[in-house]
Amino acid sequence: DAKTTQPPSMDCAEGRAANLPCNHSTISGNEYVYWYRQIHSQGPQYIIHGLKNNETNEMASLIITEDRKSSTLILPHATLRDTAVYYCIVRVVSGGSNYKLTFGKGTLLTVNP
Amino acid sequence: ETGVTQSPTHLIKTRGQQVTLRCSSQSGHNTVSWYQQALGQGPQFIFQYYREEENGRGNFPPRFSGLQFPNYSSELNVNALELDDSALYLCASSLAGHSYEQYFGPGTRLTVT
Repeated sequence: DAKTTQPPSMDCAEGRAANLPCNHSTISGNEYVYWYRQIHSQGPQYIIHGLKNNETNEMASLIITEDRKSSTLILPHATLRDTAVYYCIVRVVSGGSNYKLTFGKGTLLTVNP
Repeated sequence: ETGVTQSPTHLIKTRGQQVTLRCSSQSGHNTVSWYQQALGQGPQFIFQYYREEENGRGNFPPRFSGLQFPNYSSELNVNALELDDSALYLCASSLAGHSYEQYFGPGTRLTVT
């Protein structure tokens, strides 16, 4: 799986959009971009994933650049409960059952009141 | 709440002892993965079980072993505990064929003294 690079920490004001960047310059054509987050002392939580098109769900939006070498996770209206470590993960999606996730250190997002 | 439960929540063991951690998957999920998360690090993949067979393994020694039962619950066994085994142990369940989302449990905090 391709390696990802994320800033170690970011701050965001409550109610504002939080934009979390991720670089994955060695991504292959069959690799997806996933985002998970981990609130303190809890297990990671799936947020969103995409291949090349922008994606949106009830939690967030994922913007992937045209060359797919980077992406941005957008939390449109951050709340204090969004304070967490956010992980960007790139992995191949196969038809089998091997769903190994390779986590880096992620970005600690702190939402301030 | 993901429906994935783990027991015990916390555990203290002495170096050289053996430990068994348990995970109950979300209903209907047939794949379970185990991760180790040291303090300040992202989770690291230990291994995955699919239909009671090991289906992939990370860079962990053989003293880390597992089982998956017919009801898809799972155990992680660690023999000859070392101080560096102190970590949060996470299990994640998923459904083969649905590759984008893994549901993580809250983890078991293991302390080896």
